[in-house]
Amino acid sequence: NAGVTQTPKFRVLKTGQSMTLLCAQDMNHEYMYWYRQDPGMGLRLIHYSVGEGTTAKGEVPDGYNVSRLKKQNFLLGLESAAPSQTSVYFCASNDRDRGRTDTQYFGPGTRLTVL
Amino acid sequence: SQQGEEDPQALSIQEGENATMNCSYKTSINNLQWYRQNSGRGLVHLILIRSNEREKHSGRLRVTLDTSKKSSSLLITASRAADTASYFCATVQNRDDKIIFGKGTRLHILP
Repeated sequence: NAGVTQTPKFRVLKTGQSMTLLCAQDMNHEYMYWYRQDPGMGLRLIHYSVGEGTTAKGEVPDGYNVSRLKKQNFLLGLESAAPSQTSVYFCASNDRDRGRTDTQYFGPGTRLTVL
Repeated sequence: SQQGEEDPQALSIQEGENATMNCSYKTSINNLQWYRQNSGRGLVHLILIRSNEREKHSGRLRVTLDTSKKSSSLLITASRAADTASYFCATVQNRDDKIIFGKGTRLHILP
């Protein structure tokens, strides 16, 4: 099993450009999450999904959109990138829907720079 | 605002010593978890403690939970160079699907 994978690993954008980050998991988890990590801020939840076709806002959703068309994929979109969105983005999934441990399985991250 | 706050923000100790990190949170929780992040990598789950538990052990890790004080501590015994990393607590509130992380403690083990 590959676990949680993220594409791309690195990206540089210009202000105003758009892009989509892809997260894929092969563990058949229902729950998936997008976080951003900034120095001194820890991880902040952007959006999450509790199943295919569902999405919900987290702590810092503004400027981002998400879609969960397939259970294994969770997409994070930036419609008009801003320098404040320069960050490392992490995707995670967990198995809480099966009454298990709420363990988050994280991807390796995407480092995004917006100029 | 973030649910969990770790303390201290940074900690340096000699190899072989014990390291203690604390986490405080604001609202009632279902469970609290600790994660480790090595530089440039994703987070890795270490241990979970439920709101009706007071202490859990896993190898060299010991976690305590005090729900009356809304706080948790992570103890790493007999530290090793490989324990150098950032450590985060994460909380899951009752009847909520969000898993909220704190800002983390940077632990550096000196040789």
